[in-house]
Amino acid sequence: ILNVEQSPQSLHVQEGDSTNFTCSFPSSNFYALHWYRWETAKSPEALFVMTLNGDEKKKGRISATLNTKEGYSYLYIKGSQPEDSATYLCAFGRESNTGKLIFGQGTTLQVKP
Amino acid sequence: SAVISQKPSRDICQRGTSLTIQCQVDSQVTMMFWYRQQPGQSLTLIATANQGSEATYESGFVIDKFPISRPNLTFSTLTVSNMSPEDSSIYLCSVVTGISGNTIYFGEGSWLTVV
Repeated sequence: ILNVEQSPQSLHVQEGDSTNFTCSFPSSNFYALHWYRWETAKSPEALFVMTLNGDEKKKGRISATLNTKEGYSYLYIKGSQPEDSATYLCAFGRESNTGKLIFGQGTTLQVKP
Repeated sequence: SAVISQKPSRDICQRGTSLTIQCQVDSQVTMMFWYRQQPGQSLTLIATANQGSEATYESGFVIDKFPISRPNLTFSTLTVSNMSPEDSSIYLCSVVTGISGNTIYFGEGSWLTVV
């Protein structure tokens, strides 16, 4: 059984705080690591797709890193805003070109104004 | 990009009944998938919806419980049959676009509650 683990399960921060989450995944048969942002009643929004060990990606105040050898990825949010409140999902892709993803349980972030 | 519409967005269903969820994509896509998220659990892949052939089911999911249709490259349905409270979940369809197969879009989900 392939497991993707995310921590913490939930996080409450104040507006302006920076925060980070962890995703651990199997280091064998790696193809891609996806990060999604999911707000209630909306589609999961793709944030990043990373395929290479050492990849670092950035989108505004959000960035992510990837270590495929040890099987982990970090998602960072700098200067959290209330609109960042959502569940952040990571998903492991172990086959190319299939779209079959194994998801973690997510980290739910609440940013208080 | 791909815009995915799912219907219904939300429903309350009686135990023992069946419900069909529709997924419409605004462009032709090769691969479509159905996922579900039970309360407190991860999003889990149910099956790959294959155009013109039977769906491919993941371990733990069977065609009799989750029949899937894929009549063309823009549309698919998932039926949840003979529902029980354990089927209360969010059901999402997703599609793969792009040459690398790494661009994956999701619908907004169908929230089903079985009473």
